Amino acid sequence: DVKVTQSSRYLVKRTGEKVFLECVQDMDHENMFWYRQDPGLGLRLIYFSYDVKMKEKGDIPEGYSVSREKKERFSLILESASTNQTSMYLCASRRGRQLSYNEQFFGPGTRLTVL
Amino acid sequence: AQRVTQPEKLLSVFKGAPVELKCNYSYSGSPELFWYVQYSRQRLQLLLRHISRESIKGFTADLNKGETSFHLKKPFAQEEDSAMYYCALSGSGNTGKLIFGQGTTLQVKP
Repeated sequence: DVKVTQSSRYLVKRTGEKVFLECVQDMDHENMFWYRQDPGLGLRLIYFSYDVKMKEKGDIPEGYSVSREKKERFSLILESASTNQTSMYLCASRRGRQLSYNEQFFGPGTRLTVL
Repeated sequence: AQRVTQPEKLLSVFKGAPVELKCNYSYSGSPELFWYVQYSRQRLQLLLRHISRESIKGFTADLNKGETSFHLKKPFAQEEDSAMYYCALSGSGNTGKLIFGQGTTLQVKP
């Protein structure tokens, strides 16, 4: 079974802090994704990565950056946390880019509260 | 623009009743569509995808290109079907990106 883990289930930070959310997958997947999940808005893609050291902006990248130095790890960084970044953050991974491998496997989520 | 719309925020039915969760999409090419489900206190997981044309846990979904819809159906709802359901579209260029709908909470009452 694919396992995607996230470093924290719950996180409370203060406005202006730099925040790191870590995601690790153990199935040698090339693709990794960061979403935020908000009621009534569904999941919105923040950033994704095709492979090591590669990254692309998703639909809502403002205020975020990412790092992928190793294949198994994809980090989401909030440079200066703001209250509107309070949300549930989901990481996902996926094998390759072929259609037949299109399923994404999700982590348990990190609920971030910015005070 | 690529978009997925789930018009119902909440769908409440009684056990044994038929269920239809609506999903409409906007996409210019050949879409690949999915339903993901999140049960209480569990992670989001794939329920089914149109390309497989399979039934999972009694659920089916047929891609209707004419109506640009991918509604999720089950003839007899069970209490354990209560969950949040998301319809998703695979983006253009086979990037692996998914575009999600807003989600529908299905509540199955005893």
